[in-house]
Amino acid sequence: AQSVTQLDSHVSVSEGTPVLLRCNYSSSYSPSLFWYVQHPNKGLQLLLKYTSAATLVKGINGFEAEFKKSETSFHLTKPSAHMSDAAEYFCVVSLLTGGGKLIFGQGTELSVKP
Amino acid sequence: EAQVTQNPRYLITVTGKKLTVTCSQNMNHEYMSWYRQDPGLGLRQIYYSMNVEVTDKGDVPEGYKVSRKEKRNFPLILESPSPNQTSLYFCATAGTYEQYFGPGTRLTVT
Repeated sequence: AQSVTQLDSHVSVSEGTPVLLRCNYSSSYSPSLFWYVQHPNKGLQLLLKYTSAATLVKGINGFEAEFKKSETSFHLTKPSAHMSDAAEYFCVVSLLTGGGKLIFGQGTELSVKP
Repeated sequence: EAQVTQNPRYLITVTGKKLTVTCSQNMNHEYMSWYRQDPGLGLRQIYYSMNVEVTDKGDVPEGYKVSRKEKRNFPLILESPSPNQTSLYFCATAGTYEQYFGPGTRLTVT
């Protein structure tokens, strides 16, 4: 069975400091992994996706994530936080590359202090 | 422009009054699904459809119905809404490598 665990429900950083949002997954198959962002009162926006190509995935707005099979992790990072990064972030796993059910983590709320 | 649209965006209703939330996509995708989002639970799949006339239950289907008579439309039906169905609902459609989400429908059942 597939599952996703986001290790922090809330992360707070200062503007200009690095961001690390942690995600562990469980999958019997080679998974596709995604990070989505949801700004307050907005829909879901795809940040980046891993689909068994390069293990270091670059996304939009300076975010990137590294797929580590040995650690079953897919942590999201950004070198320098911006105030506009404050949002909720979801780590997501899927069996299929695009179609098929998505399993969402519980979400991590990122706060950015000035 | 690739789009998933949902209507209405906001709805306040009373227990037991049937309602339908519409979802439409213009990408000619075969796979469509509905999710609900609740605080601390992320998004959970309600129903999905692999193609026209093919639908199946997701993780939380109780109290919901769907239909897929046309490829572009996938309405979500609440025959007798209850307060525990108060939630934020997202329709999604799947391309080759990612899913596209609608803007969400915030439903309140009193």
